[in-house]
Amino acid sequence: EPEVTQTPSHQVTQMGQEVILRCVPISNHLYFYWYRQILGQKVEFLVSFYNNEISEKSEIFDDQFSVERPDGSNFTLKIRSTKLEDSAMYFCASSEAPRGANTGELFFGEGSRLTVL
Amino acid sequence: GESVGLHLPTLSVQEGDNSIINCAYSNSASDYFIWYKQESGKGPQFIIDIRSNMDKRQGQRVTVLLNKTVKHLSLQIAATQPGDSAVYFCAESKSGYSTLTFGKGTMLLVSP
Repeated sequence: EPEVTQTPSHQVTQMGQEVILRCVPISNHLYFYWYRQILGQKVEFLVSFYNNEISEKSEIFDDQFSVERPDGSNFTLKIRSTKLEDSAMYFCASSEAPRGANTGELFFGEGSRLTVL
Repeated sequence: GESVGLHLPTLSVQEGDNSIINCAYSNSASDYFIWYKQESGKGPQFIIDIRSNMDKRQGQRVTVLLNKTVKHLSLQIAATQPGDSAVYFCAESKSGYSTLTFGKGTMLLVSP
């Protein structure tokens, strides 16, 4: 069964350092997303991406964040200068069609845990 | 000290019981609703969805009920099994928008 894969599974970094989280969406999917979940809290939307540009982003997704699809398979989330409050589980997701369409089901990866010290 | 954000509502049931998990959503303009299951250390997994033109939808062992009048969503799990133990999130969305807004989650604990 196709799945979304994420690397690394866990990254520990120092405050102020740059972090890149990587995702390989399901191969025929066209819409890509990043969500995050602070420990014990609900999952929060960060950004959606389609056709090589951001479709929507939340207030959390400030200038410190960026996304990129550098090749035909990877989708990355970069945090330029990490803060303590960026510590969370970051989930990548992909869908075949946009939300609200019949085949717009989101498939989530297992997450990358980021710990900022 | 107090652990902020770790106090999830918890539903404890016995194996074989039926479980009902409730969710109140916030946006009256939302027209698409999904239930996700999240096991420890994993990403959310789609269970079942429903559009606002329906008030009930059934899947395998699961039923989702939507009450738009009071903005309430429920997930019913029949014959609950230990493998159903997880945190369950409802999520809402509006057609034409990518964003899924997740609820706070309910932990379901199933005892054998």
